[in-house]
Amino acid sequence: QVQLQESGPGLVKPSQTLSLTCTVSGGSISSGDYYWSWIRQPPGKGLEWIGYIYYSGSTYYNPSLKSRVTISVDTSKNQFSLKLSSVTAADTAVYYCARGEYSSSPDYWGQGTLVTVSS
Amino acid sequence: QSVLTQPPSASGTPGQRVTISCSGSSSNIGSNYVYWYQQLPGTAPKLLIYRNNQRPSGVPDRFSGSKSGTSASLAISGLRSEDEADYYCAAWDDSLSFVVFGGGTKLTVL
Repeated sequence: QVQLQESGPGLVKPSQTLSLTCTVSGGSISSGDYYWSWIRQPPGKGLEWIGYIYYSGSTYYNPSLKSRVTISVDTSKNQFSLKLSSVTAADTAVYYCARGEYSSSPDYWGQGTLVTVSS
Repeated sequence: QSVLTQPPSASGTPGQRVTISCSGSSSNIGSNYVYWYQQLPGTAPKLLIYRNNQRPSGVPDRFSGSKSGTSASLAISGLRSEDEADYYCAAWDDSLSFVVFGGGTKLTVL
């Protein structure tokens, strides 16, 4: 069974860069059939798609965040990562990593990690 | 403003059947599979229904999904107190090239 686990700082200062890593176990991130994504959920609000990456390195980002987002993959470690620059309080959210099949919604999710943007 | 439209709330009494609707467009629900997630307080979304009407192993058959045109619905029969949660629909959007979500429906078991 595939498992995903997010890791990274829980507190980031305004204007700095948020960095998170998702470690995948129980399956290879190099499987060509899946994308690996980041999704966030502000406190008390709904889900927002951030972007996704394939093992080949091809990426797609939500246009509303595109100028600030970078998603990368490290197949040797079976991990993928998120960087979100110039954060503000509006970026405070639970960040989830998830896996999905091409043109389908995610099937496996990580447990999520709360990132608070505050000085 | 979510791309998919869900009612913000729903309710029912134990044993009852409730349905939650999800409305989209031809670029998402109309041309791709609908997924449903259950989110209990403080936890990650859990896959409840995939490919419109398929249940993952371990999901009770009290939960069922259906799709018609650009709309979908989730039905929960034999409502139980532990079903009290937020429910989200999702679908790939061909125009946006990523997954879009509904705004979520908070289900209350009275």
